[in-house]
Amino acid sequence: NAGVMQNPRHLVRRRGQEARLRCSPVKGHSHVYWYRQLPEEGLKFMVYLQKENIIDESGMPKERFSAEFPKEGPSILRIQQVVRGDSAAYFCASSSSGASNTEAFFGQGTRLTVV
Amino acid sequence: AQSVTQLDSQVPVFEEAPVELRCNYSSSVSVYLFWYVQYPNQGLQLLLKYLSGSTLVKGINGFEAEFNKSQTSFHLRKPSVHISDTAEYFCAVTMTGGGNKLTFGTGTQLKVEL
Repeated sequence: NAGVMQNPRHLVRRRGQEARLRCSPVKGHSHVYWYRQLPEEGLKFMVYLQKENIIDESGMPKERFSAEFPKEGPSILRIQQVVRGDSAAYFCASSSSGASNTEAFFGQGTRLTVV
Repeated sequence: AQSVTQLDSQVPVFEEAPVELRCNYSSSVSVYLFWYVQYPNQGLQLLLKYLSGSTLVKGINGFEAEFNKSQTSFHLRKPSVHISDTAEYFCAVTMTGGGNKLTFGTGTQLKVEL
């Protein structure tokens, strides 16, 4: 019974390249959340998706960042034209419902380094 | 909007000693409260949560936390720590009825020494 799977675990990109981060939720979960953890900081909410729909993207930077959760396949967080400030750990969480009393299960994260 | 303050960025403690990690929150609406643990290069694991009912909540690995509404606090405690408890601990809140979007504190690094 696999938990939330994120890949790759580590990703190195040069400035200006694109980064694609993948998240496969717990089987049966249709709610996915992305968080970013900058060095020495807590996790900051980025976006909440429910199968094919973006529900809340209030934490997403206005430019270069996008997220999707297609009907089939993993959720993807895409960062275009990466800059050094995008270096961070990106965590995905999934839950069985969007209710706030439902436990969210976290993946191990993708550590993005921009050189 | 909600905010979470973890007053201590690092807490060193000797093995078998008690520990308390402090968490205060601010919110204009009622919230649910959580503590997560993050081991090095790992994801977050839920330790415990307060949804309603008894203000003393027991979690995994011998941890417990007490919700204090008047002081807007949710401090985490363990009566006797072990080396394996060395990790980063995050307090988080979410609005009741507001979805599963979590607001996290900046974390407390617990370092257990022999």
